Amino acid sequence: KQEVTQIPAALSVPEGENLVLNCSFTDSAIYNLQWFRQDPGKGLTSLLLIQSSQREQTSGRLNASLDKSSGRSTLYIAASQPGDSATYLCAVGKETSGSRLTFGEGTQLTVNP
Amino acid sequence: GAVVSQHPSWVICKSGTSVKIECRSLDFQATTMFWYRQFPKQSLMLMATSNEGSKATYEQGVEKDKFLINHASLTLSTLTVTSAHPEDSSFYICSVLPRETQYFGPGTRLLVL
Repeated sequence: KQEVTQIPAALSVPEGENLVLNCSFTDSAIYNLQWFRQDPGKGLTSLLLIQSSQREQTSGRLNASLDKSSGRSTLYIAASQPGDSATYLCAVGKETSGSRLTFGEGTQLTVNP
Repeated sequence: GAVVSQHPSWVICKSGTSVKIECRSLDFQATTMFWYRQFPKQSLMLMATSNEGSKATYEQGVEKDKFLINHASLTLSTLTVTSAHPEDSSFYICSVLPRETQYFGPGTRLLVL
């Protein structure tokens, strides 16, 4: 059974700092990995999708890496802003097309002005 | 991407009543939709995969007779929590999968008194 772990559970940083969120998974037989953002009481917004054959993906100030063999992914946020404050979720898709996602418990990020 | 709506966004009900939650795919014809549940301070757990025109596929440990899923059209899936109890209080979120990225609805918060 796939298990996804995210470290740290919570993180508080001053504005402008670069930061790294970590995600690890126990079964390396994944189809893809996604990073999502969840604001309090809201649904999820997809940030980055990495296919199992890829090593990293970038979107603006966000960069996600994937090391499938070691079961790890990181989300790098550059020059953090207060608007980045949210919970960041990592999810791995095992089956073809990335359906049936297994989620980590998330990292709650607070960026202080 | 895809735009997904859910209704209602908030529902409070008495123990023993049934509650229906709607998930609509507004700009994509979804043959498959996914239903997740999120308890406070926990991650999302996939409950079931809703299949248009056929029976839903439930994850292990999810009671199909308690959580009735109907996917009668390509744009609408409904989740009915039957005989709801306080332990069913949770955040219910649906998603669609146009290609390989899942797009989530805003969620429905259910409180059973």
